[in-house]
Amino acid sequence: DQQVKQNSPSLSVQEGRISILNCDYTNSMFDYFLWYKKYPAEGPTFLISISSIKDKNEDGRFTVFLNKSAKHLSLHIVPSQPGDSAVYFCAARLMNRDDKIIFGKGTRLHILP
Amino acid sequence: DVKVTQSSRYLVKRTGEKVFLECVQDMDHENMFWYRQDPGLGLRLIYFSYDVKMKEKGDIPEGYSVSREKKERFSLILESASTNQTSMYLCASSSNIPGPEAFFGQGTRLTVV
Repeated sequence: DQQVKQNSPSLSVQEGRISILNCDYTNSMFDYFLWYKKYPAEGPTFLISISSIKDKNEDGRFTVFLNKSAKHLSLHIVPSQPGDSAVYFCAARLMNRDDKIIFGKGTRLHILP
Repeated sequence: DVKVTQSSRYLVKRTGEKVFLECVQDMDHENMFWYRQDPGLGLRLIYFSYDVKMKEKGDIPEGYSVSREKKERFSLILESASTNQTSMYLCASSSNIPGPEAFFGQGTRLTVV
């Protein structure tokens, strides 16, 4: 039973254009959502997060949007650069004392020259 | 900068061996996690710990145990390694302040033959 779903295994975007990565969730008890980027043979690195009480958070080229009614969030990367080619994981934290973080399966982003 | 260090980048073990994966973090984080990453399955939580000597099962704890005797160190133990435990293992740590983002180590690629 997947609580955090990334339905697109891969995405290809032209360099300079906008990349939009999507994530859906099922549990209303998540209080924070996070995006991570992962290169092969390395650990994931934290990109950006958003609290469940907000609907947008921006950091440079990265913006995360949260639609609580739809239980949907998205990561926008503008403009896309070659170094953005990686696997992106959506994650969510459960609102309880254990601070369990649950990850989606990831979306592989290819930035095309 | 937060540093999470895993003791080995690559390990090859034989079926039935007892395997120890060590993880150390230097930021006094309360929470520590062990995940495994497999193609098409994303990051799956094995165990996590929110305090010294405390542990909680994640989604796939079978065949694994953990130890947290000191705050900075979280060990994953494969009691009797099997070939289906061949995977990339990722350790992470997090603090509740200022935010829930977890920081990952570089990963250990374990092959069980």
